[in-house]
Amino acid sequence: AQSVTQPDIHITVSEGASLELRCNYSYGATPYLFWYVQSPGQGLQLLLKYFSGDTLVQGIKGFEAEFKRSQSSFNLRKPSVHWSDAAEYFCAVSTNTGNQFYFGTGTSLTVIP
Amino acid sequence: DGGITQSPKYLFRKEGQNVTLSCEQNLNHDAMYWYRQDPGQGLRLIYYSQIVNDFQKGDIAEGYSVSREKKESFPLTVTSAQKNPTAFYLCASSISAGVSYNEQFFGPGTRLTVL
Repeated sequence: AQSVTQPDIHITVSEGASLELRCNYSYGATPYLFWYVQSPGQGLQLLLKYFSGDTLVQGIKGFEAEFKRSQSSFNLRKPSVHWSDAAEYFCAVSTNTGNQFYFGTGTSLTVIP
Repeated sequence: DGGITQSPKYLFRKEGQNVTLSCEQNLNHDAMYWYRQDPGQGLRLIYYSQIVNDFQKGDIAEGYSVSREKKESFPLTVTSAQKNPTAFYLCASSISAGVSYNEQFFGPGTRLTVL
């Protein structure tokens, strides 16, 4: 069965520091992986996605993610965090039929000045 | 501007009442989805529709119903059979279901509170 684990419920970083949010997936076939961001009381916005090719994926707002098949991971990174990055981040995997997404439980990011 | 609209943004319901949440998209997407979001539980799929006049149950469909009479509209009814309906509800769409790398686009959500 497909599943996504985000081990960190909450992370706090200082503005300007680097960030890494962890995501592990369980899926038997080739995974299609996504990272979304959600501001409080809002919908989700796509940051980036991976479905083939280069394992290092660039996204919007300076985010990137690296797909590591051997570790079943798709961690999200940003070299320097801005206060506006404070939000909830969700990792998701799509099934090979594309009918369903499976979301992790999210990681809440707090940015301190 | 293309996108997904959900209304209302906030909704209050008395116990025992049915309530309908609206979702409209002008992206010309075939597939639409309803999710429920609770703190610490991520998003859980309620229903999805791949095409007009067709829809399938997701993981938590009990106590909910949907219709898909038009491509751009996918309303969700929360019935009195739903035991704990207070939650944040998100509607999403994608170009087509059945294509794994198509991302889903999300509306701004409706927060439902049962009084």
